[in-house]
Amino acid sequence: AQKVTQAQTEISVVEKEDVTLDCVYETRDTTYYLFWYKQPPSGELVFLIRRNSFDEQNEISGRYSWNFQKSTSSFNFTITASQVVDSAVYFCALSGRTNAGKSTFGDGTTLTVKP
Amino acid sequence: KAGVTQTPRYLIKTRGQQVTLSCSPISGHRSVSWYQQTPGQGLQFLFEYFSETQRNKGNFPGRFSGRQFSNSRSEMNVSTLELGDSALYLCASSLDLATNEKLFFGSGTQLSVL
Repeated sequence: AQKVTQAQTEISVVEKEDVTLDCVYETRDTTYYLFWYKQPPSGELVFLIRRNSFDEQNEISGRYSWNFQKSTSSFNFTITASQVVDSAVYFCALSGRTNAGKSTFGDGTTLTVKP
Repeated sequence: KAGVTQTPRYLIKTRGQQVTLSCSPISGHRSVSWYQQTPGQGLQFLFEYFSETQRNKGNFPGRFSGRQFSNSRSEMNVSTLELGDSALYLCASSLDLATNEKLFFGSGTQLSVL
């Protein structure tokens, strides 16, 4: 069975602060994929990143960066110099080779960035 | 390129009624998934269709059903509605989830059961 845990339910920061959203996963698959999605108030989840289990390189995209550590089964997401527009619910998700069409989502972390 | 389109955007029904939600995927996408989102349960997987066949199914009662048409458009149906069915129903499309592709989501249908 697959499981994704996002222990932080809500985070509130002041603009320009850095913030890290935690994601811990469980899977028996040796090949799997991890994702992060952003859900703004409009409701539509937007894809941010996809990482496969064989690629542990960290990735940076502008103010966003991701740290994947297989040893701790974690795939954390950091926003540097947060902005008000970053306020949203962020979901971590897992898709394994054995159930590729059945993504498992964490409960989400609600990020509020105050001006 | 048009995104994933879900209709209707909002729906109000009463207990015992049935409802049909519609989803048009991105052109060229053959995989369509449905998720139920509630404040208490988060995002729960309902089912996934590929080429008109249900390929994966979540742990929902038989009152929840779906189908996919030859043009990849999908519908989901909930019969004998219960208060607990009130939720945001999200549809997502993908080229082919068998290769663990990313999901493109619609804005959802907000269903309220009174």
